[in-house]
Amino acid sequence: DVVLTQTPPTLSATIGQSVSISCRSSQSLLHSNGNTYLNWLLQRPGQPPQLLIYLVSRLESGVPNRFSGSGSGTDFTLKISGVEAEDLGVYYCVQSTHAPWTFGGGTKLELK
Amino acid sequence: QVQLKESGPVLVQASETLSLTCTVSGFSLTNYGVIWVRQPPGKGLEWMGIIWRNGNTDYNSALKSRLSINRDTSKSQVFLKMNSLQTDDTAIYYCTRDLSDYWGQGVMVTVSS
Repeated sequence: DVVLTQTPPTLSATIGQSVSISCRSSQSLLHSNGNTYLNWLLQRPGQPPQLLIYLVSRLESGVPNRFSGSGSGTDFTLKISGVEAEDLGVYYCVQSTHAPWTFGGGTKLELK
Repeated sequence: QVQLKESGPVLVQASETLSLTCTVSGFSLTNYGVIWVRQPPGKGLEWMGIIWRNGNTDYNSALKSRLSINRDTSKSQVFLKMNSLQTDDTAIYYCTRDLSDYWGQGVMVTVSS
């Protein structure tokens, strides 16, 4: 199974600060059809996860554009340009290129 | 409006079988797959399995021997069955559309010894 390694496990930020989260895969997530199926989710406390980014860099409808995704192959990054209070929670990367799909271990974003 | 809602028992005895239902609305199960994901208390997300829009299934290799996912397209329902439950199967169980764009609220299942 594909292993996704997220770093850091915990991230402390002030409001307005820009932060990045890394997601590294144990194998390439480039599908034979040319797409890379790497998504980013945010789970706020007590809530189900919500989709932020799909196909590495595409912003889900309704998600603020301070969120951006980048990367290719095995290395991916989620960036938040100017953290807001509503962004606090746990961020997960998830791959659906290879079955079974797998999640990263999560990165908890908290206020400094 | 797309919605998913999990239902089922909140307390199950160890060694018994868990049966959960995911009832969807706003889309057809013949157009989208549905995934089951679980989350033990205070821990991360675990992908359990998917039933694709064509009815085929894929399972987490660690759960494959105990898990089955089926559906009734006429009722817009997806079913999860997992046998031989243990206390470490205690978790919130979510269903989500295969694009991960819509999630149910989840159901907390406790396995009692």
